[in-house]
Amino acid sequence: QKEVEQNSGPLSVPEGAIASLNCTYSDRGSQSFFWYRQYSGKSPELIMFIYSNGDKEDGRFTAQLNKASQYVSLLIRDSQPSDSATYLCAVNKVTNDYKLSFGAGTTVTVRA
Amino acid sequence: DAGVIQSPRHEVTEMGQEVTLRCKPISGHDYLFWYRQTMMRGLELLIYFNNNVPIDDSGMPEDRFSAKMPNASFSTLKIQPSEPRDSAVYFCASSPQEGMEKLFFGSGTQLSVL
Repeated sequence: QKEVEQNSGPLSVPEGAIASLNCTYSDRGSQSFFWYRQYSGKSPELIMFIYSNGDKEDGRFTAQLNKASQYVSLLIRDSQPSDSATYLCAVNKVTNDYKLSFGAGTTVTVRA
Repeated sequence: DAGVIQSPRHEVTEMGQEVTLRCKPISGHDYLFWYRQTMMRGLELLIYFNNNVPIDDSGMPEDRFSAKMPNASFSTLKIQPSEPRDSAVYFCASSPQEGMEKLFFGSGTQLSVL
């Protein structure tokens, strides 16, 4: 079983719609959760992080964490063509341990 | 700050040759990470340093890979001898002591071993 698993995609959504990305992780003791966006040919950039169960909103992005189900998701509201990218879920098992385990990523295409 | 600076951006070499990738972290960042990204394996952590000291190199695939950080502003990842399966994008990243939410990646080095 992979440490971090994501929907393989690709995910195609119309402009203005909500894109929903899912991520599950295997280590129940995981502490910190991150979403990175990676444009084609570019480096990953952090867009959201969440540490506690529940929702965390930042602009058009909402991260949702459910530790009991070992599940973290990312919602992109009012999707724009500029949101077209690969989204990587990353998990940090132990606080103050700087090792991140990344999922394979979900590629999102927003259709204009 | 200019961000994390990596060189070269692209490297094409022949099997058996030595390859050296370079990284300058963001000034003041205590942690430096080397990652490798391939289609098959995704983004993998190879090694990371704290205050120039290697902390965890369990991701280094084999003895052909070595990394050094002689000072706070410079790190190298060396592959000797290189093999075609080493072809990947190698990213350097740095973060401050405060936490991974301030992790920044460099632009990466696209390595092709023929």
